[in-house]
Amino acid sequence: GENVEQHPSTLSVQEGDSAVIKCTYSDSASNYFPWYKQELGKGPQLIIDIRSNVGEKKDQRIAVTLNKTAKHFSLHITETQPEDSAVYFCAATLGTGGFKTIFGAGTRLFVKA
Amino acid sequence: NAGVTQTPKFQVLKTGQSMTLQCAQDMNHNSMYWYRQDPGMGLRLIYYSASEGTTDKGEVPNGYNVSRLNKREFSLRLESAAPSQTSVYFCASSEKDRVEQYFGPGTRLTVT
Repeated sequence: GENVEQHPSTLSVQEGDSAVIKCTYSDSASNYFPWYKQELGKGPQLIIDIRSNVGEKKDQRIAVTLNKTAKHFSLHITETQPEDSAVYFCAATLGTGGFKTIFGAGTRLFVKA
Repeated sequence: NAGVTQTPKFQVLKTGQSMTLQCAQDMNHNSMYWYRQDPGMGLRLIYYSASEGTTDKGEVPNGYNVSRLNKREFSLRLESAAPSQTSVYFCASSEKDRVEQYFGPGTRLTVT
């Protein structure tokens, strides 16, 4: 079955710096890759996603890149702010329907003011 | 819209006790899911319901049962709680044949 590995498990950056979180997946048939942000005491919230026919997607300070050949995808946050501090999860989905979504273990991001 | 709501927010059980976690969504979504979140392990799917009237096992279904009461509500039952079921439980929903999931705030369950 699908397996998603996420690195690093913890990331600490200075406010204004960039943060990069990397994930790899095992099933080359996976075709949808969402990223979720989980703030303390809350449920995960979708912040950006990318489909397998796209190499890069941006939304303001957040971008995601996908390398299908290497089965890597990454989340890039530029000009980090204290409110970016949270746990971030990557995931890989096979086909349609969320029941084939496998999540990474999460990255705890600390943005120091 | 409230989105996805879960009750209770916190619960402490003794080993062997039973309880039901409640979930409701007001987005008219067809699909609903139950996940558990453990430190260092991300989110793991317990059960899901692709549509009203259907339920299927996920990755870690042992020790749990579910009921899709209607389109809005999807409950998770622990018949005989065990310490290994100490976790944070999240309910989620999505539109039919869509992969984007919307999560509730979670229930933190401790089994002693």
